[in-house]
Amino acid sequence: QQQVKQSPQSLIVQKGGISIINCAYENTAFDYFPWYQQFPGKGPALLIAIRPDVSEKKEGRFTISFNKSAKQFSLHIMDSQPGDSATYFCAARLDQGGKLIFGQGTELSVKP
Amino acid sequence: EPEVTQTPSHQVTQMGQEVILRCVPISNHLYFYWYRQILGQKVEFLVSFYNNEISEKSEIFDDQFSVERPDGSNFTLKIRSTKLEDSAMYFCASSGYRVSYEQYFGPGTRLTVT
Repeated sequence: QQQVKQSPQSLIVQKGGISIINCAYENTAFDYFPWYQQFPGKGPALLIAIRPDVSEKKEGRFTISFNKSAKQFSLHIMDSQPGDSATYFCAARLDQGGKLIFGQGTELSVKP
Repeated sequence: EPEVTQTPSHQVTQMGQEVILRCVPISNHLYFYWYRQILGQKVEFLVSFYNNEISEKSEIFDDQFSVERPDGSNFTLKIRSTKLEDSAMYFCASSGYRVSYEQYFGPGTRLTVT
């Protein structure tokens, strides 16, 4: 019930292409859905986030699409660059205490 | 830009020893968290802390773990008697107000238990 399922586990995209990472959840008590970017040996860095009353949020090349009825959300990276190569984690927040439940992560590699 | 800092960056300890991991959250933040990440796996919640007490803890956070905010700036995680399976990256995070939602993570402490 508190799981967040993320796919794919790894993704290879050509420079300039679109990277798409998907997440699904079951618990309707989740009230906030952030995406984090993590480079090797570093902490997760907040990339973009959305609340369930919004269907889409765009910040630069990064877009979150949110489908409340399907309990799914996805991250789209437009014009992917080699510098975007990192591990991306989706997460969901439970209101009580504010803890984040993370997905398994997607290792993105953008080829030049 | 304000950031969460953690020390040490790497801690090596022997099984059974006590370790203290230190964090300085973003000043004026009110909510504090510890997460851990075993190599190659997802980030897992350990504990949340607000108003000088634990708000919530996971099943991982057993009696061997404790947290403390000893002064106005530091937030610590203590593991009393480390086990091999405690080897992981430990991340501290903080957020300002519950309504703001954003949690900002520190760079982590890599704990190696031998």
